Amino acid sequence: ETGVTQSPTHLIKTRGQQVTLRCSSQSGHNTVSWYQQALGQGPQFIFQYYREEENGRGNFPPRFSGLQFPNYSSELNVNALELDDSALYLCASSLSRDKETQYFGPGTRLLVL
Amino acid sequence: KQEVTQIPAALSVPEGENLVLNCSFTDSAIYNLQWFRQDPGKGLTSLLLIQSSQREQTSGRLNASLDKSSGRSTLYIAASQPGDSATYLCAVRPRDTGNQFYFGTGTSLTVIP
Repeated sequence: ETGVTQSPTHLIKTRGQQVTLRCSSQSGHNTVSWYQQALGQGPQFIFQYYREEENGRGNFPPRFSGLQFPNYSSELNVNALELDDSALYLCASSLSRDKETQYFGPGTRLLVL
Repeated sequence: KQEVTQIPAALSVPEGENLVLNCSFTDSAIYNLQWFRQDPGKGLTSLLLIQSSQREQTSGRLNASLDKSSGRSTLYIAASQPGDSATYLCAVRPRDTGNQFYFGTGTSLTVIP
């Protein structure tokens, strides 16, 4: 059984650019959540995907968007990057939408210059 | 909105000492609470998940308790080891928005050999 994987591990972009981050969920998991973790802070919920549909969204602007594919892997897209978008982006998968343990990937460290 | 607080923000103890990490949350209407460990620059590793109907969970040297009515959880680590050095995060899953976790900012633990 493979765990949650994310790519790339590190990324440097400039303000105004667009970025796509990828996540492969743990085998058998149909739910993927994305979190943003700024330095020294706890993770903040961006959104969740369940069976290819968005299933809840945190307080993030529309320039943060996502996709989930039939194999339950997922992408996070961020348009018009801002300096404050610099953070560790974490993906977590779980067996279902509710009540289950979330398993986190190693994260993608994004730096916006 | 659910708010999660962790005290202390940082803790340094000698090897072998027993210790307690604290987590408090403002809204007691939760599905569950989960404790995570995060090593520097890495993703989160799930330690213990406590459902709202449970009072505690144990795994090895770790014991987590939940007092929903008072909005508190503690993580007890017995016989601490240098390898326990990490940041410990607690996260609650509210009943009304069951698809996301609200995280505290964590307690940074250093165990001195």
